[in-house]
Amino acid sequence: AQSVTQLGSHVSVSEGALVLLRCNYSSSVPPYLFWYVQYPNQGLQLLLKYTTGATLVKGINGFEAEFKKSETSFHLTKPSAHMSDAAEYFCAVGPYNAGNMLTFGGGTRLMVKP
Amino acid sequence: DGGITQSPKYLFRKEGQNVTLSCEQNLNHDAMYWYRQDPGQGLRLIYYSQIVNDFQKGDIAEGYSVSREKKESFPLTVTSAQKNPTAFYLCASSILFSGKLDNEQFFGPGTRLTVL
Repeated sequence: AQSVTQLGSHVSVSEGALVLLRCNYSSSVPPYLFWYVQYPNQGLQLLLKYTTGATLVKGINGFEAEFKKSETSFHLTKPSAHMSDAAEYFCAVGPYNAGNMLTFGGGTRLMVKP
Repeated sequence: DGGITQSPKYLFRKEGQNVTLSCEQNLNHDAMYWYRQDPGQGLRLIYYSQIVNDFQKGDIAEGYSVSREKKESFPLTVTSAQKNPTAFYLCASSILFSGKLDNEQFFGPGTRLTVL
């Protein structure tokens, strides 16, 4: 069985500050990990994914995430927040069967203050 | 441009009525998925399909039905048996390659269903 925990349903940062969104997972098999972003009333867009190889993954819009197996974590970071980063972020782990299934965390809403 | 379309964007229905949400993709993806999104609960899987004319229940299939008559289409029907249907519904698709399981899911823009 797989599960994802995102610590903090709401995170608020000032513009220009570091963004850190936390994701911890559990998986009985080597995981593939994903971060998605959702803007209001829209679908989800892939930010980045970890499959194999380098544990530091760079994504779009200046975001990156580091896979730490010993900590079962895949935290998302961005050095300097921009107002346009305000959105909801979802961490996902998968797959858990040949259907390419994903398990999603509950989401973290990022608010950016001017 | 390739992508996933969902229609309508907003949908209203009266209690006791069935309603069908459309999902079409032109990405030539094998697998398609329906999720329900409620505030603070993330995404919950309703149904998924890996191949035409076949589909499986997800975690919250009760009160929903689907069909997969064509590779590019995966409509979801919300029946009157669904006790609390007001939610945001997301359709997704992905490639399925044998031995390659790290393919991300691509999402449509969603349909917001409100039961009056």
